[in-house]
Amino acid sequence: GQSLEQPSEVTAVEGAIVQINCTYQTSGFYGLSWYQQHDGGAPTFLSYNALDGLEETGRFSSFLSRSDSYGYLLLQELQMKDSASYFCAVRDGGFKTIFGAGTRLFVKA
Amino acid sequence: EPEVTQTPSHQVTQMGQEVILRCVPISNHLYFYWYRQILGQKVEFLVSFYNNEISEKSEIFDDQFSVERPDGSNFTLKIRSTKLEDSAMYFCASSETPTGNSVGYTFGSGTRLTVV
Repeated sequence: GQSLEQPSEVTAVEGAIVQINCTYQTSGFYGLSWYQQHDGGAPTFLSYNALDGLEETGRFSSFLSRSDSYGYLLLQELQMKDSASYFCAVRDGGFKTIFGAGTRLFVKA
Repeated sequence: EPEVTQTPSHQVTQMGQEVILRCVPISNHLYFYWYRQILGQKVEFLVSFYNNEISEKSEIFDDQFSVERPDGSNFTLKIRSTKLEDSAMYFCASSETPTGNSVGYTFGSGTRLTVV
């Protein structure tokens, strides 16, 4: 079967750093993406890793290790507005992208 | 910034009725998708559409579902005879490439479908 595993929720304080992990098992692999979704909103694209290593975009970074079928999203200098759900997603080789169940991030003051 | 537009934002329908959810993808995008999200759960793939035909569909997308691109701008999802379990948020998305790659998919704001 195909699956993406990520923690159901994470709590951190404002200004801290948090890492959200994702392990995947899919029939094919064409890159790992991360999406953010605020309550009641649409998923919005954050990052994409096709090759091993770290990609940095402002306060957010994403890492991929294809040999370990593992990636993570790193959020630095957390702000209250970062409270949201974060989904890892994999295109499995066909014309679909599969999403994980999402990690709910709570940022506390 | 270009966006994907979905209408209506909320639809309430009686069980057994047909519903059509509408989407206007970003104009230069070629790949279109429907996803659904039951409250508090993950985003589930329904169908992808390219070159005026379905390119892939999930097991959720059974004979009760159909998609259409009736003109150059709209992309619709029809549910022929709605069931209670079809209640969910339905998201339309579009992308320039099949993978989304470096810019990902652009999602619309969703249509919340409530079947009563």
